[in-house]
Amino acid sequence: KAGVTQTPRYLIKTRGQQVTLSCSPISGHRSVSWYQQTPGQGLQFLFEYFSETQRNKGNFPGRFSGRQFSNSRSEMNVSTLELGDSALYLCASSFLGGLAGFGPGNEQFFGPGTRLTVL
Amino acid sequence: TQLLEQSPQFLSIQEGENLTVYCNSSSVFSSLQWYRQEPGEGPVLLVTVVTGGEVKKLKRLTFQFGDARKDSSLHITAAQPGDTGLYLCAGEIQGAQKLVFGQGTRLTINP
Repeated sequence: KAGVTQTPRYLIKTRGQQVTLSCSPISGHRSVSWYQQTPGQGLQFLFEYFSETQRNKGNFPGRFSGRQFSNSRSEMNVSTLELGDSALYLCASSFLGGLAGFGPGNEQFFGPGTRLTVL
Repeated sequence: TQLLEQSPQFLSIQEGENLTVYCNSSSVFSSLQWYRQEPGEGPVLLVTVVTGGEVKKLKRLTFQFGDARKDSSLHITAAQPGDTGLYLCAGEIQGAQKLVFGQGTRLTINP
């Protein structure tokens, strides 16, 4: 069974630009969550999508947005990039997402991440 | 304020030694996961614990969930260079429907 895939793996952008990251979940998983990982803040939850609906959201500004398609693939968009947005962006998929609890059988599995550098 | 405090943040030991990593919180967790992450890659799930007092073993790794479900530990016996990596604990706070992560423990095993 293929794992979670993310594209692109690396991105370099300049301040003020926008960027779109893509995530394909494990087959059969309907929930996709996005995280930002930085050395200073660690892994921070951005949002979760389930069946094309945003079900949960972290404490990030509105410049960070996402969507999910009917095949469960998800995209994340960051507009008006700032230097502080440089990070590893990770997506994780699970069968039913947070509403069902992340216990055995519904754990989150992560993709390899997209390394975004903002210059 | 970190909801999940991991300690130590950095640990460098010799091959063959034993070590323990701790994950503590004042919150009660419905479940707690341990992940290992290598540079440039995403975290890989090692184990999920859900019952207070639960102990799970994965080869030389032993995971324990505290009786009150507020803390957890990871013990590695006879560490090997292949154990090198960033170890992350992640907890699901009751009712929050999302995971919160500790800052991680960066473990280096020297041959």
